[in-house]
Amino acid sequence: QKEVEQNSGPLSVPEGAIASLNCTYSDRGSQSFFWYRQYSGKSPELIMFIYSNGDKEDGRFTAQLNKASQYVSLLIRDSQPSDSATYLCAVTISNTGNQFYFGTGTSLTVIP
Amino acid sequence: EPEVTQTPSHQVTQMGQEVILRCVPISNHLYFYWYRQILGQKVEFLVSFYNNEISEKSEIFDDQFSVERPDGSNFTLKIRSTKLEDSAMYFCASSSRTGGNQPQHFGDGTRLSIL
Repeated sequence: QKEVEQNSGPLSVPEGAIASLNCTYSDRGSQSFFWYRQYSGKSPELIMFIYSNGDKEDGRFTAQLNKASQYVSLLIRDSQPSDSATYLCAVTISNTGNQFYFGTGTSLTVIP
Repeated sequence: EPEVTQTPSHQVTQMGQEVILRCVPISNHLYFYWYRQILGQKVEFLVSFYNNEISEKSEIFDDQFSVERPDGSNFTLKIRSTKLEDSAMYFCASSSRTGGNQPQHFGDGTRLSIL
């Protein structure tokens, strides 16, 4: 069973705070990890991706991967009201080609 | 920035009818995908397509579904004899290369409503 789990939230943080979003996955063959942002009724928009253990930073976003513990997280620094959206974690698995396995998403609200 | 475009944005169809959802992937991309998202549920993989043939498909993608690249730009999903449970948002995606580490870029989706 290739499960990708996310806390559905909602997660509320004040403007300017750090938002921390977590994702766990069940298949140890998981190789690549993607974070997408989805506004209500819109398409998933790629934020960033990570392949190797450790941290990867891109502007206000940091992805953290720990393959031993099978989790990947996304930190959003200096959160803005425009960051309010659902954040989707997606995973690819080495023996299943290119298909993405998505979590259900975490709803984030940034309060002005 | 190049983007994936999908038409129509909303399709309403009677149960039992056939629908065709259209996508124009990013022009230099070679790998194409269809996903669906039932309201309130997770995004689910349907099928991937490369070099004019299906490379992977999920259990959802049964004989009711088919995909085609009729010309050099369009990528279509056909659903024959639609059912109520086919109501969902359908997303097309594309990527430039293969391999599980390639980001996929999504279109804005087609909301399919089966009556």
